[in-house]
Amino acid sequence: DTGVSQDPRHKITKRGQNVTFRCDPISEHNRLYWYRQTLGQGPEFLTYFQNEAQLEKSRLLSDRFSAERPKGSFSTLEIQRTEQGDSAMYLCASRGTGVTSTDTQYFGPGTRLTVL
Amino acid sequence: AQTVTQSQPEMSVQEAETVTLSCTYDTSENNYYLFWYKQPPSRQMILVIRQEAYKQQNATENRFSVNFQKAAKSFSLKISDSQLGDTAMYFCAFMGADSNYQLIWGAGTKLIIKP
Repeated sequence: DTGVSQDPRHKITKRGQNVTFRCDPISEHNRLYWYRQTLGQGPEFLTYFQNEAQLEKSRLLSDRFSAERPKGSFSTLEIQRTEQGDSAMYLCASRGTGVTSTDTQYFGPGTRLTVL
Repeated sequence: AQTVTQSQPEMSVQEAETVTLSCTYDTSENNYYLFWYKQPPSRQMILVIRQEAYKQQNATENRFSVNFQKAAKSFSLKISDSQLGDTAMYFCAFMGADSNYQLIWGAGTKLIIKP
């Protein structure tokens, strides 16, 4: 069990550019979540996958945001035409189907996005 | 809708002291889960302790324990024999079926352990 990994860890971009983040969940976990966290605040839910199906999207997720999980393993989160307000930490978490882990989300280290 | 409230934005204690962080929540569900997560500066969100609402016994993990009062919708975290490495943001979170098992978070408490 190598834990949840995210790439890149840091991303600096100019306003208007597109960015894509990747999340690799714990291998046997079929549920994957994306959250956004701004400085000094708790995370806010963005979207949720069960296997490859995107089951829920927050109203926070504007049309500029899209997420995929094409084979039910890793996931990508893309932000198009970035704005300064998109600057935040983007967290990925996964949750499994095993007996002991169905109720706990395990987090990756996050991707810190800075939009200049 | 479920909400989670942490009323202490910041706390500081001396090393080796005991500290209690408060959390209250609001829900109409009967079965749900509660969590405390720790987020050290510029580091990963780490699970500290979890509690299933159907269990009356309070969860404990080494120096960390909770006081779960279901009727009062209160879920406080006690850290005994605090250590410098406990310095972090602590978030209380709720998870239930009505929110499709997404985590609903409090605003966090910044805990500083002083040497």
